[in-house]
Amino acid sequence: GESVGLHLPTLSVQEGDNSIINCAYSNSASDYFIWYKQESGKGPQFIIDIRSNMDKRQGQRVTVLLNKTVKHLSLQIAATQPGDSAVYFCAETAGGVGNEKLTFGTGTRLTIIP
Amino acid sequence: DVKVTQSSRYLVKRTGEKVFLECVQDMDHENMFWYRQDPGLGLRLIYFSYDVKMKEKGDIPEGYSVSREKKERFSLILESASTNQTSMYLCASSHTGGVVYGYTFGSGTRLTVV
Repeated sequence: GESVGLHLPTLSVQEGDNSIINCAYSNSASDYFIWYKQESGKGPQFIIDIRSNMDKRQGQRVTVLLNKTVKHLSLQIAATQPGDSAVYFCAETAGGVGNEKLTFGTGTRLTIIP
Repeated sequence: DVKVTQSSRYLVKRTGEKVFLECVQDMDHENMFWYRQDPGLGLRLIYFSYDVKMKEKGDIPEGYSVSREKKERFSLILESASTNQTSMYLCASSHTGGVVYGYTFGSGTRLTVV
């Protein structure tokens, strides 16, 4: 069936280094993708999104890359800080306006090593 | 500060009890969602609602029901709690056509069924 998943369940990165979190999806009709961050004891929070007509989008210290050919997206975090420690989820949806359901991946736990 | 509020952070209930999880949002969002979150499985959609008194089954509705009598409130009901319903439950809301900005999540309710 359709699924959204992550390659690695855990990732440890030295403080100050860049982090890359990956996500694979299988629904070729997916046209909108979001990355969420979930800190301990909190609900997921929106980080950045990207539409299928783009292959790259940048925010503050974060970049999302989308490769539709291989159905893969990644989240890059520059100069990671202790506050970046969290679980990161990708989510996808297809069908445009009116289809409000998001399908979430299993999550990657990012740990920043001081 | 806009928010989604879940009435309880932690709940402990006995097997067979009827359990109510309450969620309230103050953003006038049309859509509301209930997810459960389990390690390694990510977020799985239980039920969602596009409007008052409307509800649709998600991916894992068995053993659950919902109620949406008012726009701002979406309740999840465990008709007869079982130990396999021990989980973190997350409520979320969004505007219709607003999925481009993702969902706003509550902080979650950690339910333990003994």
